Amino acid sequence: SQTIHQWPATLVQPVGSPLSLECTVEGTSNPNLYWYRQAAGRGLQLLFYSVGIGQISSEVPQNLSASRPQDRQFILSSKKLLLSDSGFYLCAREILSGAYNEQFFGPGTRLTVL
Amino acid sequence: EDQVTQSPEALRLQEGESSSLNCSYTVSGLRGLFWYRQDPGKGPEFLFTLYSAGEEKEKERLKATLTKKESFLHITAPKPEDSATYLCAVQVGGSYIPTFGRGTSLIVHP
Repeated sequence: SQTIHQWPATLVQPVGSPLSLECTVEGTSNPNLYWYRQAAGRGLQLLFYSVGIGQISSEVPQNLSASRPQDRQFILSSKKLLLSDSGFYLCAREILSGAYNEQFFGPGTRLTVL
Repeated sequence: EDQVTQSPEALRLQEGESSSLNCSYTVSGLRGLFWYRQDPGKGPEFLFTLYSAGEEKEKERLKATLTKKESFLHITAPKPEDSATYLCAVQVGGSYIPTFGRGTSLIVHP
């Protein structure tokens, strides 16, 4: 199984509050993992990716951070949420298919910042 | 500047009315092109990967094709359950990170 779990499924938070979203994956060890944000009317925006424990690459400067404390765990965090952080957050894993890499997505977390 | 452009943004079809969705790209050195289906409130579901011009892949009523500049997702005799947003993404050689288009929202009326 290469299942991806995301928690929580939905979240409503006030501006200025902290955030922690969790992604855990099953199956192959040392997967490449990704965090995306999907805002209404916009495409998928890559936020962070990780090729291993403690290795995080950030694609865009922002109010968010990511960590990978365990091989199959990827966490998205913020110290103080902004209204603009609202969106649908998706965790994805990369799976090697032959000589090519394909991405598969988790169920997502809907975050509303009020 | 968008490297991946999907059209139309929205498409309404009657059940059984076949049509095509377009994904055009301007990247060089295409490594792979991916199609996903996304239902409201859910994560994208992987459909196809296309690697080279001329390649075609089919799944039920869906058929994806690829040229050097674009890909088409053909939907034959669609049903209401085909209603969803269809996303296209491209992967360029040297990077495993795909670039996504904004998607086409498809609604099929019974």
